[in-house]
Amino acid sequence: GAVVSQHPSRVICKSGTSVKIECRSLDFQATTMFWYRQFPKQSLMLMATSNEGSKATYEQGVEKDKFLINHASLTLSTLTVTSAHPEDSSFYICSATQNLGQGNQETQYFGPGTRLLVL
Amino acid sequence: GENVEQHPSTLSVQEGDSAVIKCTYSDSASNYFPWYKQELGKGPQLIIDIRSNVGEKKDQRIAVTLNKTAKHFSLHITETQPEDSAVYFCAATSGGYQKVTFGTGTKLQVIP
Repeated sequence: GAVVSQHPSRVICKSGTSVKIECRSLDFQATTMFWYRQFPKQSLMLMATSNEGSKATYEQGVEKDKFLINHASLTLSTLTVTSAHPEDSSFYICSATQNLGQGNQETQYFGPGTRLLVL
Repeated sequence: GENVEQHPSTLSVQEGDSAVIKCTYSDSASNYFPWYKQELGKGPQLIIDIRSNVGEKKDQRIAVTLNKTAKHFSLHITETQPEDSAVYFCAATSGGYQKVTFGTGTKLQVIP
């Protein structure tokens, strides 16, 4: 199946600093990528939808100025957590959609996640 | 918007037994239903999916059924093994690069 990578896998930062997380589709082009946040023992919460070459669409309650998303190419999307605070500590997961070319059939593949800890 | 409910939240089975996880969805426009397995500290891994033009799909020990009329879909794991222990999420989407709505997850424990 398709492979999605994330970097870094784990990051610890001081409160007030910014952290950038990269999401790459390694063997396919992804027109659309999604960013999720997951708290312990909970389901994935969609933060935003990232489309290559256009502005991201944020879900209700997600601050676009705090969680900056850039989808610079068909294989790379980045999430920057600006002025991070301890409450931003979480597991961040991206996904990329692969078009199988069979009509309107797309499959989402997820990255391995990035564990962010803000001290 | 779409709402996906998933049951049970936890499930313990003896090794070799079958496990069934059930989900319901609310949006009749949803036509793609993936299932994901998430191990601790890792991202979700797609294990099987089904589209609305079929009622059942099987891949070795894993099968998924879909009842569009009732808006139900289920995951069946037969001959469970300890390595099947993980959190399983069902999901629904109307496709076309639309966002996926996840269920709340089922923590499956397979007891050796």
